[in-house]
Amino acid sequence: VQLVESGGGLVKPGGSLRLSCGASGFTFSDYYMSWVRQAPGKGLEWVSYISGSGGTRYYADSVKGRFTISRDNAKNSLYLEMNSLRDEDTAVYYCATQMGYFDYWGQGTLVSVSS
Amino acid sequence: EIVLTQSPGTLSLSPGERATLSCRASQSLDSSYLAWYQQRPGQAPRLLIYGASSRATGIPDRFSGSGSGTDFTLTISRLEPEDFAVYYCQQYDSSVMYTFGQGTKLEIK
Repeated sequence: VQLVESGGGLVKPGGSLRLSCGASGFTFSDYYMSWVRQAPGKGLEWVSYISGSGGTRYYADSVKGRFTISRDNAKNSLYLEMNSLRDEDTAVYYCATQMGYFDYWGQGTLVSVSS
Repeated sequence: EIVLTQSPGTLSLSPGERATLSCRASQSLDSSYLAWYQQRPGQAPRLLIYGASSRATGIPDRFSGSGSGTDFTLTISRLEPEDFAVYYCQQYDSSVMYTFGQGTKLEIK
């Protein structure tokens, strides 16, 4: 199993960013997937998950209405569209396979929100 | 929202000693849907335990999990140098809101 995130970077408050996660080594469409983030020096925070078909999606209250999770099973890819970014969204964002618990994780991509 | 409180915040022990980490939930996890993760500096978290007591693939048997209801424990029977890290518990009893504890740092004494 390999998960590789990309798309992080520096963005101004109010800006947008799209994260991607490429998956390999397993049947991607069979798995729920999640995004989990970690602010610098802080703990882990679950952000969002999506079912294998994409028909079920849930979000943490802190990102609801601003972030959108999606997937393309033909491309074995997971996405996180982030809009109206705030300073407090600064974090390393991990994608992870999910069985309720998170069994496989990517290495993370850093999102910095700053003016 | 289910709040998880981990204790202690920091645990100082020596290699070879036994470590006991606690995680308390604000409400009962009826199906013992609790997991434990290890995170070393600069690395992604690694799943250790799921279902409160089942070891994940490849996890040494010195790691064990126990508990039910609101009180859960991660025990490391004999600490190895590579075990010094931060440990997080996570509940997945609520399928619409997953939460983590704030973490316990296990440091070398």
